[in-house]
Amino acid sequence: DAGVTQSPTHLIKTRGQQVTLRCSPKSGHDTVSWYQQALGQGPQFIFQYYEEEERQRGNFPDRFSGHQFPNYSSELNVNALLLGDSALYLCASSGGQGNGYTFGSGTRLTVV
Amino acid sequence: SQKIEQNSEALNIQEGKTATLTCNYTNYSPAYLQWYRQDPGRGPVFLLLIRENEKEKRKERLKVTFDTTLKQSLFHITASQPADSATYLCALDFTGGGNKLTFGTGTQLKVEL
Repeated sequence: DAGVTQSPTHLIKTRGQQVTLRCSPKSGHDTVSWYQQALGQGPQFIFQYYEEEERQRGNFPDRFSGHQFPNYSSELNVNALLLGDSALYLCASSGGQGNGYTFGSGTRLTVV
Repeated sequence: SQKIEQNSEALNIQEGKTATLTCNYTNYSPAYLQWYRQDPGRGPVFLLLIRENEKEKRKERLKVTFDTTLKQSLFHITASQPADSATYLCALDFTGGGNKLTFGTGTQLKVEL
């Protein structure tokens, strides 16, 4: 049983460009969350999707947007990339309250 | 705003000893407190979850305690092994609705032979 899969694993973009990251949740999980992790820091919550709707959002600008599809997979889009957007982007899925999250291995985004 | 503090300094211990990691938080207590393990370049892996009305939870060599009066959780690894070397993250779920997690910065554990 595959866990959370993310693509691509690594990405290099130029400042000002746009990027789309993809995530497939663990089988049976219907909720997808996205986190940004800078080097040496803990993951920071970006937003969460459930039933194709953004259910909760962290303290990130509107340049960060997302989508969830009927099969529960999700995309994270970042527009007008800044150097500070360089980080490991993690997708996590869960199947309900009171359970831990299953994280993917992340996408390492480098903005140059 | 809510703050979560974990030891920023790495913890080095000898194989076979018990490692104890600390997670302190400010303001109000979370509904759930979770611990994750993270290896370099990988995503966090869920280890244990403890609810605000629970004092202690165990799983194999792992034990978590949760003291809402002290606003502190302790994470113990008994009979530690070199394979336990990793960064351990404390994460708080304040709503209990399975929504966002607020993470600490993590503590790096190194178990030496």
